[in-house]
Amino acid sequence: DAKTTQPTSMDCAEGRAANLPCNHSTISGNEYVYWYRQIHSQGPQYIIHGLKNNETNEMASLIITEDRKSSTLILPHATLRDTAVYYCIVRDQAGTALIFGKGTTLSVSS
Amino acid sequence: GAGVSQSPRYKVAKRGQDVALRCDPISGHVSLFWYQQALGQGPEFLTYFQNEAQLDKSGLPSDRFFAERPEGSVSTLKIQRTQQEDSAVYLCASSLHSQSNQPQHFGDGTRLSIL
Repeated sequence: DAKTTQPTSMDCAEGRAANLPCNHSTISGNEYVYWYRQIHSQGPQYIIHGLKNNETNEMASLIITEDRKSSTLILPHATLRDTAVYYCIVRDQAGTALIFGKGTTLSVSS
Repeated sequence: GAGVSQSPRYKVAKRGQDVALRCDPISGHVSLFWYQQALGQGPEFLTYFQNEAQLDKSGLPSDRFFAERPEGSVSTLKIQRTQQEDSAVYLCASSLHSQSNQPQHFGDGTRLSIL
């Protein structure tokens, strides 16, 4: 079973920030938090990952709480092309398989 | 770009036939993964290679499923005597190494339909 809990769906207006929450209360000290998204008929796309510090790249920002029990993916200026299913994943301790849950369906509208 | 490439993109087979799905990982990536994604669900892990060694095949649903990566690059997932429940998208991913801080990069998958 997935180790994360995400809302089933979220809506966001184009141009606004999209903040996607994720709970991972049982995360271990050496486990990373990964975010992927999947647009219809495509494979999952890597977005960002982190261990304990906040991370930012050209796609998004990842905010991890100090106790590491939850995190938020931030898309600063959502566009229609950001409509997708977003998966928050805690990488297993063996460092191999990604365990996907059901993810959050983000709908961006104009 | 030089991403993960999978072929064929779509495959239709009759129940009982054997199928072979191909994955070309990103050049230089040591680790290769296969996942199965049923309609409306997230991907589920099937098997994992480090170079040519298959280190984990715990996710393969039955002995009809077989994967190989003989030269540590291209991988093939073979399904023998296909059944309707094998219909799914089969995704391949590769990463530079298997460590948990290395992201996996996915191909767009092969959509398999068993009639």
